[in-house]
Amino acid sequence: EIQLQESGPGLVKPSQSLSLTCSVTGYTITSGYDWSWIRKFPGNKMEWMGYISYSGSTNYNPSLKSRISITRDTSKNQFFLQLNSVTTEDTATYYCARATPSWFAYWGQGTLVTVSS
Amino acid sequence: IMLTQSPATLSVTPGESISLSCRASQSISTNLHWYQQKPNESPRVLIKYASQSISGIPSRFSGSGSGTDFTLNINRVEPEDFSVYYCQQSNSWPLTFGSGTKLEIK
Repeated sequence: EIQLQESGPGLVKPSQSLSLTCSVTGYTITSGYDWSWIRKFPGNKMEWMGYISYSGSTNYNPSLKSRISITRDTSKNQFFLQLNSVTTEDTATYYCARATPSWFAYWGQGTLVTVSS
Repeated sequence: IMLTQSPATLSVTPGESISLSCRASQSISTNLHWYQQKPNESPRVLIKYASQSISGIPSRFSGSGSGTDFTLNINRVEPEDFSVYYCQQSNSWPLTFGSGTKLEIK
């Protein structure tokens, strides 16, 4: 069974970088599919942030393009989110998910990240 | 592509049959998927490509539509169905989600 698990700091200061890890078990991220980050803001709005493909290519939401980076460590079967220059508006629950190929069948449990000084 | 869901909140009694709407700002063919999210849980896909069923999802959930207008139908709402429902389009980048419809108990 495929499982995804997010981890990382729950509190980040404004202007700093947000860094999260998604650990995948039950499937090798280099075998196929795109591996995405999605966030849900307070009030229910959801935003697809970007993905890293099984081959290592990336695709980002233009709304974040200057601040976002998604990378991976294939030896650990993990992929990562880095979001730079965060503000309070980046406070959200962050999910990693696998696209199959354009809808999301597998999600992590989500991790709440609060941006506050 | 913007997705507009309506209503924002729907109050119903268990056993009622309901329809939730998702309207796209431009034609997206049938590249529209529906999710259910319960409090403190991850979203769960209910319907893919507007009307295709997902293994393990109860048959009371069905979808229809194409182009810009889509509907999620729940036949005889069960107590466990009270949650938030989202649509998501995959016709063009960036992928986008609707703002959600909260289904609550009347």
